[in-house]
Amino acid sequence: NAGVMQNPRHLVRRRGQEARLRCSPMKGHSHVYWYRQLPEEGLKFMVYLQKENIIDESGMPKERFSAEFPKEGPSILRIQQVVRGDSAAYFCASSPAPSYEQYFGPGTRLTVT
Amino acid sequence: SQKIEQNSEALNIQEGKTATLTCNYTNYSPAYLQWYRQDPGRGPVFLLLIRENEKEKRKERLKVTFDTTLKQSLFHITASQPADSATYLCARPPEPGSARQLTFGSGTQLTVLP
Repeated sequence: NAGVMQNPRHLVRRRGQEARLRCSPMKGHSHVYWYRQLPEEGLKFMVYLQKENIIDESGMPKERFSAEFPKEGPSILRIQQVVRGDSAAYFCASSPAPSYEQYFGPGTRLTVT
Repeated sequence: SQKIEQNSEALNIQEGKTATLTCNYTNYSPAYLQWYRQDPGRGPVFLLLIRENEKEKRKERLKVTFDTTLKQSLFHITASQPADSATYLCARPPEPGSARQLTFGSGTQLTVLP
């Protein structure tokens, strides 16, 4: 049973470009969470999704950031018009239910130049 | 807002000793606390979950306690090994009844010296 998969593992974007981060949850998991980890800082919750629904996006910036988890395919975290401050590691996690432990992917390291 | 704090940023111990990491929370007691391990360049890995009605939980060389009076969880690694060196994170749900997302502490970096 494959774990949570994220791609790309590393992504370099110039300021103003768009970044698309993909996450495939573990088989059988319908709950997906996105977190951001800045250098020397802890994990910060961004958004929680179930298939085709955003359940909680309280941790996601109101502008430039969006997330989706379509009926088919991976969950996508999209950052438009990236700025240097967006450089961070973005982790996706999945769980079979909200109150269960979360299984994390290896992360996508975004660098904005 | 509900906060969670891990007292020590870094902890060095000698191989074979017991490592004890501390996690403190504010305001209400969460329904549970979780502990994760994170190695450099990797995602966190779930270790243990302890519910508020459980005083203690064990898994191999790991032991977690949950003290609602002190608002604290302790994480112990007995007979520590250099391979235990990593950052350990505690996490809690942020609101009563909320199990939807986790609030993580900033982590304690453990180094086990051979």
